[in-house]
Amino acid sequence: DAGVTQSPTHLIKTRGQQVTLRCSPKSGHDTVSWYQQALGQGPQFIFQYYEEEERQRGNFPDRFSGHQFPNYSSELNVNALLLGDSALYLCASRLGAGIYTGELFFGEGSRLTVL
Amino acid sequence: GENVEQHPSTLSVQEGDSAVIKCTYSDSASNYFPWYKQELGKRPQLIIDIRSNVGEKKDQRIAVTLNKTAKHFSLHITETQPEDSAVYFCAASIRYSGYSTLTFGKGTMLLVSP
Repeated sequence: DAGVTQSPTHLIKTRGQQVTLRCSPKSGHDTVSWYQQALGQGPQFIFQYYEEEERQRGNFPDRFSGHQFPNYSSELNVNALLLGDSALYLCASRLGAGIYTGELFFGEGSRLTVL
Repeated sequence: GENVEQHPSTLSVQEGDSAVIKCTYSDSASNYFPWYKQELGKRPQLIIDIRSNVGEKKDQRIAVTLNKTAKHFSLHITETQPEDSAVYFCAASIRYSGYSTLTFGKGTMLLVSP
């Protein structure tokens, strides 16, 4: 079992550019969440996907969008990048989007640097 | 929405001592409280969790307590070892419109000196 896999692991962009991050959930999981972790901070919830729809969204602007595919994998897109978007982006997966019944598994993250 | 406060931000102990990290949450509807450990450059990993119908849970050297009335929960690590050095995050789960999400605290960096 490969667990949660994310790509790319590191990337550098310039202000105003767009970025797409990818995530494959742990085998058997159907719910994917994305978190932004700034240096020295806790993960901040961006949004959660279940059954290919965004089910919950945190306090992030519309520049942040996502998608979930029929195989449960997911993408996070960020448009018009700002310096403040530099962070580690974590994908997490679990089974079921309702009441927590098990561990939320995290990927290793994608480290985004915006110059 | 939910707000989780975590203290202290940094905790230094000697090997063998106990360590306690405390968190408070704002929404009384929160019902699940996990703790994650994140080593440098690694992914957060669940170390223990507790549900709102339980007051305390233990797993070897770690334990978590929950006080629903006061809306706070704590992580206790006994007989600390250097490999316990990491950043620890508490979190609270709340369910909105049928879907649950986790809100994390800002983390506690635990340093265990040999």
